[in-house]
Amino acid sequence: ETGVTQTPRHLVMGMTNKKSLKCEQHLGHNAMYWYKQSAKKPLELMFVYSLEERVENNSVPSRFSPECPNSSHLFLHLHTLQPEDSALYLCASSLQREASYEQYFGPGTRLTVT
Amino acid sequence: GQNIDQPTEMTATEGAIVQINCTYQTSGFNGLFWYQQHAGEAPTFLSYNVLDGLEEKGRFSSFLSRSKGYSYLLLKELQMKDSASYLCAVTDSNYQLIWGAGTKLIIKP
Repeated sequence: ETGVTQTPRHLVMGMTNKKSLKCEQHLGHNAMYWYKQSAKKPLELMFVYSLEERVENNSVPSRFSPECPNSSHLFLHLHTLQPEDSALYLCASSLQREASYEQYFGPGTRLTVT
Repeated sequence: GQNIDQPTEMTATEGAIVQINCTYQTSGFNGLFWYQQHAGEAPTFLSYNVLDGLEEKGRFSSFLSRSKGYSYLLLKELQMKDSASYLCAVTDSNYQLIWGAGTKLIIKP
């Protein structure tokens, strides 16, 4: 039990659909992250939130829209995705954003865009 | 640009020792992490090095040389459950984690 949960675990959506990924951490951490993981590629950092404020957006297309209503919850809203967006989307949290604290990952959402 | 290099895949025998190397070129350095990721699961933390030298934790050890931009993860007494991908990640001067693509380790009986 890593203390970070994600739903759904699997998602198949068409290019015109709108869906949301949810992440919840039960660790009392102040920083939360969204990553994209594609086969044989490094983890790609998408968004970082620290104390519910977005501190980083690594040139992610606007079809991905994050939301952090409080320090325990993180959402990734998806709309008009492309087939190349199919990947594993991982949520993570850490105690602080500014220091080298280990990150705790959720199990991920396997997204397939048809 | 920033870059992390590690072998794509390695094979080792149960009970043996394996060393997974990681070299990095980053803008600044604030520590190096190793994570383990079993297929279909989340990455989990293994080790963190910020000073030169060897950190030992049970069957796993991690080494760092900052002057060489080099680290390795050493796994002893390999077990079948060690079959997984091992991810190297470096924290740069902005405390952003730069990730390697991971090394898939296959353990054979």
